Amino acid sequence: KNEVEQSPQNLTAQEGEFITINCSYSVGISALHWLQQHPGGGIVSLFMLSSGKKKHGRLIATINIQEKHSSLHITASHPRDSAVYICAVGSGNQFYFGTGTSLTVIP
Amino acid sequence: DTEVTQTPKHLVMGMTNKKSLKCEQHMGHRAMYWYKQKAKKPPELMFVYSYEKLSINESVPSRFSPECPNSSLLNLHLHALQPEDSALYLCASSQAYLAGGGSDTQYFGPGTRLTVL
Repeated sequence: KNEVEQSPQNLTAQEGEFITINCSYSVGISALHWLQQHPGGGIVSLFMLSSGKKKHGRLIATINIQEKHSSLHITASHPRDSAVYICAVGSGNQFYFGTGTSLTVIP
Repeated sequence: DTEVTQTPKHLVMGMTNKKSLKCEQHMGHRAMYWYKQKAKKPPELMFVYSYEKLSINESVPSRFSPECPNSSLLNLHLHALQPEDSALYLCASSQAYLAGGGSDTQYFGPGTRLTVL
């Protein structure tokens, strides 16, 4: 069993839709990260959070420490949001990655 | 400058070749990381350098040899690789590698796509 589970694995949405990607983890964490990886490889760190909620533009990330769960929301989705979104957690001196959610936003 | 650069972008090598991957950052970060990523899989941590000293080696075969000549530069020397080593190799850096591990934002480079023939 993976320490970090994401759902859904694949997601297709129409432009403008509200999108939610979920992440559950089974280890004690120091922080949870949401990463974005575009085709071709480059990874961008979107959020690092250890409690509560963070917002950046159309992206919102929340975490519930008690339930060991985080969500990434994208409002008013756009085709340029098409990418793989990866949840990762820092635990002890380990860094565990989820398997990613592949998002395609159709114009 | 919040950029991590990696060279080369693409590398094709034979199993008997020796090559090196290079990673550079000028953000004053003291922790640098090498990851390996196979297609449609999440990155796997290979090495962590903290203050130019190797802190983590995730049981990586000796045909991969990391080197951190200074705080801005991280190399990965490759020798006698196997075709299954073909992957995207990602470098990342963060301000520090704390005892808590992943409690610092990591900045990733664009990666080197390696093909071993």
